[in-house]
Amino acid sequence: GAGVSQSPSNKVTEKGKDVELRCDPISGHTALYWYRQSLGQGLEFLIYFQGNSAPDKSGLPSDRFSAERTGGSVSTLTIQRTQQEDSAVYLCASSWPGQRETQYFGPGTRLLVL
Amino acid sequence: QKEVEQDPGPLSVPEGAIVSLNCTYSNSAFQYFMWYRQYSRKGPELLMYTYSSGNKEDGRFTAQVDKSSKYISLFIRDSQPSDSATYLCAMSALDSSYKLIFGSGTRLLVRP
Repeated sequence: GAGVSQSPSNKVTEKGKDVELRCDPISGHTALYWYRQSLGQGLEFLIYFQGNSAPDKSGLPSDRFSAERTGGSVSTLTIQRTQQEDSAVYLCASSWPGQRETQYFGPGTRLLVL
Repeated sequence: QKEVEQDPGPLSVPEGAIVSLNCTYSNSAFQYFMWYRQYSRKGPELLMYTYSSGNKEDGRFTAQVDKSSKYISLFIRDSQPSDSATYLCAMSALDSSYKLIFGSGTRLLVRP
């Protein structure tokens, strides 16, 4: 079946603008995650959604970052008032609910803030 | 100090060689250990998953976990040029298994 899909693949924006990144998980995967991959920082956890439970937002770096998941499927990560340090690859992953440690990643969205 | 340490490489080997990739960690609560492969400009691909200590083999890949030493390894036998990629170790604790902590990745180059 289809894997995790993300859009757009690449996004160039100007400092101060808002951006929205989209993730479509593997069908049947009720757990969804967002990570950020920066040069020199590796992958860092941002947020975790599981079904209708309250998400774990502990990894979000500032209140400019927010995410939602509608209908238990597609998720959107929003970055408001983007800064140059937000430039990174944003990766989405999904998993079966009982196998949260085995996550399957999408191709990522490469964000460049000028 | 980072929770998970991984030599960034690059590691360059001839085709057919046995490759050894390693990570060390400091958090004794980690129970789940994963290896991901990431090709340039692609997302990480799950290769191996191990719970607690021990070995696991899948084709040309073997994952080892030594919790007493806080050390994990990935061995690749009969390496191929197509194995050239960045290899990321990841781990998580029992009570927060979804929160993967990644190493920074080791770049591997397999020369034909």
